[in-house]
Amino acid sequence: NAGVTQTPKFRVLKTGQSMTLLCAQDMNHEYMYWYRQDPGMGLRLIHYSVGEGTTAKGEVPDGYNVSRLKKQNFLLGLESAAPSQTSVYFCASSYKGLAGGRIEETQYFGPGTRLLVL
Amino acid sequence: GQQLNQSPQSMFIQEGEDVSMNCTSSSIFNTWLWYKQEPGEGPVLLIALYKAGELTSNGRLTAQFGITRKDSFLNISASIPSDVGIYFCAGRTSGTYKYIFGTGTRLKVLA
Repeated sequence: NAGVTQTPKFRVLKTGQSMTLLCAQDMNHEYMYWYRQDPGMGLRLIHYSVGEGTTAKGEVPDGYNVSRLKKQNFLLGLESAAPSQTSVYFCASSYKGLAGGRIEETQYFGPGTRLLVL
Repeated sequence: GQQLNQSPQSMFIQEGEDVSMNCTSSSIFNTWLWYKQEPGEGPVLLIALYKAGELTSNGRLTAQFGITRKDSFLNISASIPSDVGIYFCAGRTSGTYKYIFGTGTRLKVLA
């Protein structure tokens, strides 16, 4: 059980280049999320998905696109990278269900992708 | 965008001391989550809270879901050097799948 994995771990792009970040989870979670983390800003939600084939915008979606073709994968795309997209990107998945007679939920994070846009 | 107010921003404490931090929100939350993040790693879930007034422990860590449902608290007892890291709170309001994160409390433990 690997949990949440992300590829690549680190990438350098030139302005205008495109790339796709891959997130995979093996916990059969319904919900998946992409966040970016910048110094002093905490974690900000880019896009999220509540199930296979569905996506929705988060707090900072501009410049990013996502797809969830399979339940276990959530892809984040940058069509034309900008220096402002230099950040650490985290994927997360969450589960909500009955446990011990009550609804419980959890959110687990991947190890992150460090992206530098020159 | 909306963010939680988390305090303090940073703490320097002596090994063995107890630590307290808190998060406050203008919104009512149904769920509070507390995470720890170490350098170069993703946040790791420490404690999840689901009910107002709930008190939950995980080893030396204890977290509480505030009665007003607009705040939460995390305490670490008898801190040790490996407690060093950034602690984040996160909350979710009813009817949404999105979590809002605090800006983090950076903890440093002096041996």
